[in-house]
Amino acid sequence: AQSVTQLGSHVSVSEGALVLLRCNYSSSVPPYLFWYVQYPNQGLQLLLKYTSAATLVKGINGFEAEFKKSETSFHLTKPSAHMSDAAEYFCAVTITGGGNKLTFGTGTQLKVEL
Amino acid sequence: SQTIHQWPATLVQPVGSPLSLECTVEGTSNPNLYWYRQAAGRGLQLLFYSVGIGQISSEVPQNLSASRPQDRQFILSSKKLLLSDSGFYLCAWSVGRDFNEQFFGPGTRLTVL
Repeated sequence: AQSVTQLGSHVSVSEGALVLLRCNYSSSVPPYLFWYVQYPNQGLQLLLKYTSAATLVKGINGFEAEFKKSETSFHLTKPSAHMSDAAEYFCAVTITGGGNKLTFGTGTQLKVEL
Repeated sequence: SQTIHQWPATLVQPVGSPLSLECTVEGTSNPNLYWYRQAAGRGLQLLFYSVGIGQISSEVPQNLSASRPQDRQFILSSKKLLLSDSGFYLCAWSVGRDFNEQFFGPGTRLTVL
């Protein structure tokens, strides 16, 4: 079965600093990978997804992620953090024939400080 | 455009009472529908999954059940709530291929006392 591991349940950065949220996956077949963001007491919103096309994926709000098969990673980055980026971020994985069922990581809470 | 509704937004229920949470989707046909529970610090747990009317897959044995009486309606129920049923319940939908994303509703905050 496929899975994702998010390293660091809490990450704190200064406003304007680089954001790096880590996600490693485990899958016996090529995966499809997603990053979602959740603001307090709201549903999840898709940031970006990898579907085996370009390995560098650009998403909304200036975020991007790079699929690295050799490292089984799909880390999320943003060059310059804004206060509005403070939220919880979830990495998720599915596979072909997986019935559109996503397996989520446990999430990373991003704090942005002045 | 497609929208997804969940209600109620918040709910406080005593232990042993019944539960009914409703999710409806607009603007799409024959969606896949999902119920997730999000407990504090534990990520999202898929509870139920449906590919069509009356077709429900349970992912985790528990005190809850789900039904899909109409194409775009998904209901989460319980006959007797437990303290451990407290959490944030999210409904989601998707269509088509495996790599198509899921779209989430605003969620229901359930507190069982």
